[in-house]
Order: sequence, then structure tokens, then C-alpha cells
Amino acid sequence: GAGVSQSPSNKVTEKGKDVELRCDPISGHTALYWYRQSLGQGLEFLIYFQGNSAPDKSGLPSDRFSAERTGGSVSTLTIQRTQQEDSAVYLCASSPGQNWGDTQYFGPGTRLTVL
Amino acid sequence: GNSVTQMEGPVTLSEEAFLTINCTYTATGYPSLFWYVQYPGEGLQLLLKATKADDKGSNKGFEATYRKETTSFHLEKGSVQVSDSAVYFCALSDSGTASKLTFGTGTRLQVTL
Repeated sequence: GAGVSQSPSNKVTEKGKDVELRCDPISGHTALYWYRQSLGQGLEFLIYFQGNSAPDKSGLPSDRFSAERTGGSVSTLTIQRTQQEDSAVYLCASSPGQNWGDTQYFGPGTRLTVL
Repeated sequence: GNSVTQMEGPVTLSEEAFLTINCTYTATGYPSLFWYVQYPGEGLQLLLKATKADDKGSNKGFEATYRKETTSFHLEKGSVQVSDSAVYFCALSDSGTASKLTFGTGTRLQVTL
């Protein structure tokens, strides 16, 4: 079946612009996660959604970052007033539930470059 | 807080050599442990996992045993192939922090003929 998809695959933007990154999780998966992969910081958790519960935003690095998940499916990560340090690969993952043993399935990522 | 420490790379091996990539962890609760692999130009994919102490995860000839006494989850393979060249990430999710993953820094493996 279809895996996690993300769009765009690459995004180049100028410093100070806003960007939106999209994630389509695997159908039926109730949990959705955003991570960031950068050279300096490795793989970092950003935010996760589970069903209709309030999202866990504990990994968001600043208030310029926000995310929403509509209808329990598609999610959008928004970065406002982008900075050069936001350059990274943004990964989305989904899992069937919220148990800590559940496997997370990752999308191919969006490579964001801030000039 | 939670953390994962894995050996620095790159690791360069000849084909058919034995592989060990060390991984140790610190967790506040009862973690599940994972190895993810990222092949060149591809996304992260699960290689294997173990959800409780003494469990052994295995896949594609790779194995790792959850050792609670040494807080370790070392990845091993008896005979590596060129196609195993990739970056390997050790990770945990902790009962105390729900299911978000904490990753190690990754270890790049290069296998040569």
C-alpha cells in the first residue's frame, strides 16, 4: 500500500519568507510525527499528533514553527520568517497508534534550504 | 532526559566482514529500542526493534539484543554486503514520553569489495 508522502520534496526560500510543508500519512494511522534532520543537530523530534488529542509540541524550536493536522489525516508544518538555521530535511512519520513500541513509518522528507 | 549514544563513524569494512555498531541509551521509563537505516538517497526505514528486556530483534541478517543491565542495543551482522552501505540510527521511545523517538547521531557504514 501507499506509504507516507511529503511535499514538496525540495524547497528553496529566502530568509524571512514563510513556508508550508505537507505530510500525508498512511491511511488509518492515528499518530503522526514531525522530525528534523540537520547536520548540526542530527534527528530531532518536533511535534506529534494522536487522534483528537492536543498535540505534543515540546520539540518545536521556536514560536515560528507551528503545525496542524486536519481531519485526523493530512498535516502541515509551517515555518514563519525562515532563518538560515532552519535549513534541514523535515521528516514526517506515522504509526498505527501511540504505544511506545509501535513502528513509525517515515516519508522521504522535504529538504528545506533557506538562502 | 532520554538519550542515545552510538559509535562514531564512518565504519569501513570489506564484504563478508563481521559488523558491530554499538548503541547505549538512557531512559526515564521502559523504552522500546529500534534500529533504523537510511540507504543513499532514500528515507528512513525500520530495520529491527525490541520492546522489552532480553528481546532480540532481527531482520535481513542483522540482529540486536535489548540488554537492560548494560542499557545497550548493539547492532550486529555476521557477513556484510556492499548493499548494506548506509547510515544506521539507533533510537528509543520511552513509556515516560509517549512514542516520540529519540535518535542517536547515526553511524555511516561503507562496505567495499
